[in-house]
This record gives sequence, structure tokens and C-alpha cells, in this order.
Amino acid sequence: DAGVIQSPRHEVTEMGQEVTLRCKPISGHNSLFWYRQTMMRGLELLIYFNNNVPIDDSGMPEDRFSAKMPNASFSTLKIQPSEPRDSAVYFCASSLGLAGVQETQYFGPGTRLLVL
Amino acid sequence: QKEVEQNSGPLSVPEGAIASLNCTYSDRGSQSFFWYRQYSGKSPELIMFIYSNGDKEDGRFTAQLNKASQYVSLLIRDSQPSDSATYLCAPSGANNLFFGTGTRLTVIP
Repeated sequence: DAGVIQSPRHEVTEMGQEVTLRCKPISGHNSLFWYRQTMMRGLELLIYFNNNVPIDDSGMPEDRFSAKMPNASFSTLKIQPSEPRDSAVYFCASSLGLAGVQETQYFGPGTRLLVL
Repeated sequence: QKEVEQNSGPLSVPEGAIASLNCTYSDRGSQSFFWYRQYSGKSPELIMFIYSNGDKEDGRFTAQLNKASQYVSLLIRDSQPSDSATYLCAPSGANNLFFGTGTRLTVIP
């Protein structure tokens, strides 16, 4: 079992550039979650999908952020244009179903984003 | 706004002692409560979850839940230096988890 796969692991970009983060969930998992972690705000849920459909995107900070899940094995989180305050670690997690029914979320290794 | 409160620490305990990590939450509708451990520079990993009032034991770890007080805790017995990490409390919402900012634990050899 390869676990949740994220790429890239590190990204350094300049303000105003587009950033695309990628995630491959664990095979067979139906829910996918995107989180952002900073020292100040901790781990924040940005958006989650169930069966490839976005269920709740209320955590997406603003229109500069967008996420897609075109199929069960791939999701992207895009920031356009990026800003220095977007610098954080972005985690993708997946679970068999919905976490509200005691489903364990398995986290990927994260993408460390630095916007200069 | 669903809130999860944890003492940020750092909490320092000597090796072999019991470490007690506490968490309070605001959403009375939360049904399940997860404890994740996160080593520095790594991703969170599940330690255990609890959904019934009382205690649940798993090896050196014991989770305690009191829904009336909206309080959940994690006890680590016989603490080891390898337990040094940040511990995240995560009550469940209707469809997802809400994470606290975590308590940083340091076990001193």
C-alpha cells in the first residue's frame, strides 16, 4: 500500500505565479481532504470531496484557490495568483467514507509551499 | 464556528512518567473524537479514536471522553522519548474533522 501520494514535496515560487499541488488518494478510498497547516492557525480544512464531488469548500480562503477531483485517483489544488501569505504545508488526506462516521483519515507527506 | 481548544504546551515529562493531554470542544453534536500524533516535519498519523463516554485503552495510550463536559483527553503511560511530538485532538463534525492546534509534548530521557 503506497499510502497517499502528494507532489511536489517542496515548492518555491514567486508572488503572482500559479501553483498546482497534486494528490493521489489511497486506492478504494471515497473521500479526499485538502488541509493547510501553519504555525499560527494549525491544521485547517480547505475542501473535501466524496466520490469525486466537492462536499464542502467553505474552508477555501478566497477565489484564488480552486480544487478539482476529475477521477477517483487524482486531485489538484491550485492557487492563482499565489501570495506570500499562502506559504504553508498543504496536506492531502483520504478516508474510506465520511469522517463523521468514524472513518480514519490517512495523510500524505505534505507539500511545503514557499511564496516569495 | 466549531472550536477545539488544546494547551499548546510545550508539555515536558520525564521518561517513564504519565503524560496527560487535554482537549475541549464546542460542538455538542460531535460523535467521534480522534487523536493524531505529528512528528516535526511529518504528517499527522492516527493514534486512536473514541466515541463512547469513558475510557478506551490501546497499549500505552488511553483516551478518555466526557461528552457532558465536552472534554476529551489522552494519557500516555510509561512515556518514551519517541513519544515527543505534537498531539492533535480532532472531534468529528457531520462529515469531517475539526483539528485543534495541538499540544507539543517533550519526553525528557
